[in-house]
Amino acid sequence: SAVISQKPSRDICQRGTSLTIQCQVDSQVTMMFWYRQQPGQSLTLIATANQGSEATYESGFVIDKFPISRPNLTFSTLTVSNMSPEDSSIYLCSVNAAGAAEQFFGPGTRLTVL
Amino acid sequence: KQEVTQIPAALSVPEGENLVLNCSFTDSAIYNLQWFRQDPGKGLTSLLLIQSSQREQTSGRLNASLDKSSGRSTLYIAASQPGDSATYLCAVRGNNNDMRFGAGTRLTVKP
Repeated sequence: SAVISQKPSRDICQRGTSLTIQCQVDSQVTMMFWYRQQPGQSLTLIATANQGSEATYESGFVIDKFPISRPNLTFSTLTVSNMSPEDSSIYLCSVNAAGAAEQFFGPGTRLTVL
Repeated sequence: KQEVTQIPAALSVPEGENLVLNCSFTDSAIYNLQWFRQDPGKGLTSLLLIQSSQREQTSGRLNASLDKSSGRSTLYIAASQPGDSATYLCAVRGNNNDMRFGAGTRLTVKP
């Protein structure tokens, strides 16, 4: 299994500002994923972050709004830029290691935008 | 595009009952299916993983089945307890490695 930590665990931010969320994994993993869970909704994949290449974004999500870094095999960041109240969600980091079938999730970052 | 549906959306049962949660998916070309538990305001805890070649997996009071050809999975919880109260999410992983989630079943087990 993989142990995943996220920082911050929660934050309250003002409209128009940006927040960077960190994800740290206790082992090297090939693929890291960022999900969003809006209030009362299920999870939606934002992007897939592979080390050494640009992140791959899902339909409806763009790099200017959600820039992602993946500097090594154990760490990634997701920035939520120019925030609006509609960005209020839980943001979750997820991993699966190469060849491993099971997917693991971090504890999430609860973001509230005023 | 893979669509994942979970029925029912919410379920309330008395303690001790056996119950079944349902998950259906539209594209049978899957790599695996995973059941998660999510407590309010928390992340996801993996419960059971079924590979596309498997029919079922068991862990304690939980049993998950998979019928890939019909696009269905069930999560069976035996002798339910108040501590089982949570939202249960079904997720299907495609052969392109992306994972699609159902909307979840919110379970309440009453003492």
